[in-house]
Amino acid sequence: GAVVSQHPSWVICKSGTSVKIECRSLDFQATTMFWYRQFPKQSLMLMATSNEGSKATYEQGVEKDKFLINHASLTLSTLTVTSAHPEDSSFYICSARRGLTKNIQYFGAGTRLSVL
Amino acid sequence: GDSVTQMEGPVTLSEEAFLTINCTYTATGYPSLFWYVQYPGEGLQLLLKATKADDKGSNKGFEATYRKETTSFHLEKGSVQVSDSAVYFCALNSGGSNYKLTFGKGTLLTVNP
Repeated sequence: GAVVSQHPSWVICKSGTSVKIECRSLDFQATTMFWYRQFPKQSLMLMATSNEGSKATYEQGVEKDKFLINHASLTLSTLTVTSAHPEDSSFYICSARRGLTKNIQYFGAGTRLSVL
Repeated sequence: GDSVTQMEGPVTLSEEAFLTINCTYTATGYPSLFWYVQYPGEGLQLLLKATKADDKGSNKGFEATYRKETTSFHLEKGSVQVSDSAVYFCALNSGGSNYKLTFGKGTLLTVNP
């Protein structure tokens, strides 16, 4: 149990276009979902926290107009990278927390974004 | 703020060798501590956790003890297998309403037959 699916696993796009990444909890309802960014040989950096039905809370230094997060249901959150540029190329990872296991997060496999 | 420092990798061992990956932390209050593992091509999986001082988390032969006096949570395994090859992340959670995690940089472990 506690499977989180992330799609796509890899996406290549042109500079200036927008890209949407989906994160789904397959067998549980996620009260909270998290979005991370990971640079090579670096730690996971938390970008934002989203609770179903409310606006995401962004970490300091993360542009909320560039990284749009929607958490419309208890099983789906999306991250849209708007007007992507090469510096946005990175590995994006989502996780989900369910109510009964409050301090455990279940992770997706990640999305590799390459902006040309 | 909270931070986690774990030993730089990569770590390369022979099968059946003893493994230690060091992890120290800085946090306010009494955090919960975690080890996550990421196998190639997969998402992070919780390996073990400890929620208070002197707790020992264990799973799949791995162990880590929450040491408040040294602010450490070192990961150990007595005899590693090739299948243990992965990236290991130490993390902490200081509580709060959303239970955010703070991660170390990860340590790549390669076990050779």
